[in-house]
Amino acid sequence: IVMTQSPHSLAVTPGEPASFSCTSSHILLHEHNGFDYLDWYLQKPGQSPQLLIYLGTHRAAGVPDRFRGGGSGTQFTLTISRVEAEDVGVYYCMQDLETPTFGQGTKLEIK
Amino acid sequence: EVQLVESGGGLVQPGGSLRLSCEASGFTFDDYGMHWVRQAPGKGLEWVSGIAWNSATTDYAPTVKGRFIVSRDNAKNILYLQMDSLRPEDTAFYYCAKDISSTMTTPGYWGQGTLVTVSS
Repeated sequence: IVMTQSPHSLAVTPGEPASFSCTSSHILLHEHNGFDYLDWYLQKPGQSPQLLIYLGTHRAAGVPDRFRGGGSGTQFTLTISRVEAEDVGVYYCMQDLETPTFGQGTKLEIK
Repeated sequence: EVQLVESGGGLVQPGGSLRLSCEASGFTFDDYGMHWVRQAPGKGLEWVSGIAWNSATTDYAPTVKGRFIVSRDNAKNILYLQMDSLRPEDTAFYYCAKDISSTMTTPGYWGQGTLVTVSS
């Protein structure tokens, strides 16, 4: 399954919203449990990746509620309602319906 | 506190072998699936391999299938990745990650990584 993210990079003013797009080459809906097997990760500069969202819309423990995962099927979005300086880094989507594959990432910078 | 400490990285010649280890602490190791994910310097993430809590299920990326073997020792709380027939394109930081469940679906917590360099 090929994952495609857009845009390549994004520059946002603190306090403004940010939106990331992820498209899958196959539907990520699990036929038995109804969940979309799509996750979002953030890799801050010089750090290991951290899980933000799993199963399309579920926030991981400790993730602020300004992060929201949405979408279904083959089209997914990650939205930050109000960007903060600490949110800079590269955002990756990953499908785990089949052998996992990542998108190429979207870099978030602060204006 | 969850801790994952990778080791075993280094410089190896093409065609050589290396075994990575990941020592886990701060959680009940045999309750969780585990993963290896790699990142070439300056590049994106690539999932490499996963193993369920009881080793009954494993999976590999097509790029490493037949060359890498994932295993775990639940008595020692250690995850392994045996890497054979290494190629220059295997050069990357290798991260160990704990799944959010007992299966090998979603890497939830990641270690700091160990660098593997394949070069002559």
